[in-house]
Amino acid sequence: EPEVTQTPSHQVTQMGQEVILRCVPISNHLYFYWYRQILGQKVEFLVSFYNNEISEKSEIFDDQFSVERPDGSNFTLKIRSTKLEDSAMYFCASSEGDSNQPQHFGDGTRLSIL
Amino acid sequence: GDSVTQMEGPVTLSEEAFLTINCTYTATGYPSLFWYVQYPGEGLQLLLKATKADDKGSNKGFEATYRKETTSFHLEKGSVQVSDSAVYFCALSDQHNFNKFYFGSGTKLNVKP
Repeated sequence: EPEVTQTPSHQVTQMGQEVILRCVPISNHLYFYWYRQILGQKVEFLVSFYNNEISEKSEIFDDQFSVERPDGSNFTLKIRSTKLEDSAMYFCASSEGDSNQPQHFGDGTRLSIL
Repeated sequence: GDSVTQMEGPVTLSEEAFLTINCTYTATGYPSLFWYVQYPGEGLQLLLKATKADDKGSNKGFEATYRKETTSFHLEKGSVQVSDSAVYFCALSDQHNFNKFYFGSGTKLNVKP
């Protein structure tokens, strides 16, 4: 069964550094998403992406964050200048798009900011 | 705005016990409803879904019925196993805003042998 893959599984970065989290969505999916889960807390929506542009973003997704689909397969989340509070699990998801269709999630990248 | 509320955990049960995890939602339209499961150290996996009122989603012995009148989507299983120990998330997608999923806070289930 096709799946969403994320790399790396764990990223450790110094505060203030830039980090790029990578995702390969399911190939025939059209919608892509990033979510964040701070340890022990709920899964929070960050951003959705369709047709090569952001379709919606949450208040968490400020100017420090950006997303990109640099080629036909990868979908990246960049954090420009990381803060301690950016430490979390970051999940990528993709879907076929219709609201009846589920989002398929990757296993996540654990981001630790030192 | 749209939101999902789940019962707080953790829920601790003995093997073969009956499970109910409550989930209620608030939505402006007619959302699709989902249950996701997160095993330790893993991502979110779709467990089941229901896309309209009175639909019942089922998978691996778990069931949930979309109840529009009570705006609920409670998760049930007749006989839990140790391997069901995980965190369960209720979620909705809004037909008017299908780009966005709204997740509940998650309910941790511990099943003891």
